[in-house]
Parts: sequence; structure tokens; C-alpha cells
Amino acid sequence: NAGVTQTPKFQVLKTGQSMTLQCAQDMNHEYMSWYRQDPGMGLRLIHYSVGAGITDQGEVPNGYNVSRSTTEDFPLRLLSAAPSQTSVYFCASSYSSGLSTDTQYFGPGTRLTVL
Amino acid sequence: AQKITQTQPGMFVQEKEAVTLDCTYDTSDQSYGLFWYKQPSSGEMIFLIYQGSYDEQNATEGRYSLNFQKARKSANLVISASQLGDSAMYFCAMREGFSGNQFYFGTGTSLTVIP
Repeated sequence: NAGVTQTPKFQVLKTGQSMTLQCAQDMNHEYMSWYRQDPGMGLRLIHYSVGAGITDQGEVPNGYNVSRSTTEDFPLRLLSAAPSQTSVYFCASSYSSGLSTDTQYFGPGTRLTVL
Repeated sequence: AQKITQTQPGMFVQEKEAVTLDCTYDTSDQSYGLFWYKQPSSGEMIFLIYQGSYDEQNATEGRYSLNFQKARKSANLVISASQLGDSAMYFCAMREGFSGNQFYFGTGTSLTVIP
């Protein structure tokens, strides 16, 4: 199993550009989420999904869009990049079995810089 | 209000000594899970230990143990016999409820192990 994969690992954008961060998992997890990590602020939830076709907003959704057409994939789209979106982005997945015991498995992260 | 509070931005510990990393949480749910993750300088998020709200015994995983005090709403991570490889950021997280789908993270504690 590859676990949770993310591409690209690094990306530099200019203000106003759009792009998609890819995330895929091969563990058949229902629950997938996107976080951004900024210094001193921990991980903040951007969007999450509890299954194909179902997404919801997290704590910091503005400027980001998601969709979930398959169980495996959960791409994050930056609509019009801004310098404030410079961050490290993590994708994570877990089972959603109705128990709170299920830990999340994280991808390796994408380091995004917006100039 | 913050769901997860980690009040120690940075900690130092002598090699082979034990160290406690503090975590307090805020929830009105009766069922929840508490997690600790390690993030070394390489950036990946590594799951360390889990404690369920109904677990009567403190969780242990090798050199990691979780000091769970439900009435105080605290879930401190204890690392025994610290090693140089323990130097990393440590994040406390919570997942609420039997059908809880969001993980809440603290801002993290940076641990440095001194030889």
C-alpha cells in the first residue's frame, strides 16, 4: 500500500494563478481532509469529505475548493492564489467507522509558495 | 474557544530523562478520542498514541504513555528515556463523538533532546 500520496511536493505560484493539489489514498478510507500548517498555528482544517460526493468546509475554507468524485481521490483547488496561502498543505485520510478511535494517516505534504 | 490547547511552545529535555508534554481539550461530547502525533524536521506526521474517552486505563505505546485526566480535560504525553531522535514537533489532537468527522489540532510543542 502506498498510503496517502500528494503531488506536487513543492510548488511556486504567482499571485492570481490557480492550481490543484492532488491527494490519493489506497486504504479505502471514507474520510479525507485537507489541512494547512503555518508556523505557530498548528494544523488548520480547510475542507473534508466523509465519502464520495460529500464534502464540507473546515475552519479556513476561503480561497479553496474541493470535490470528491471517487473514494481514492480528494483534490484541493486554489482558485486565485494569494501570498496568504503560502503554507504547507497536508492531506489525510481515515476510516469513518462510527468510532472515534480511527487515527488519520497523513500524506507527505506539499510546500506551496505564492509570490 | 480552542478545542485543543498546548501551552508549551518549546521544551528541552536531557537525553535518557522523561518529559511530559501538556495538552488540554474542550468538548461537551461524552465520546471522543485523543491523539498525539510527532512531526520530525523532515515534515511527515507520525501517529504516536491514542486514548479513548471511555478508556479507564492510560494508553501506552512503547516509550510513550498518555496521562489522561478526564475531570481536568487533560491528555498529557509522557516520553520516557528520551532519545536524540525524539527531537521534533508534537501535536495533540481530538476527534469528537461516535460520528465525529473533524480532527482538532493544537499548535504543537517543539521538543529538543539535549545530549
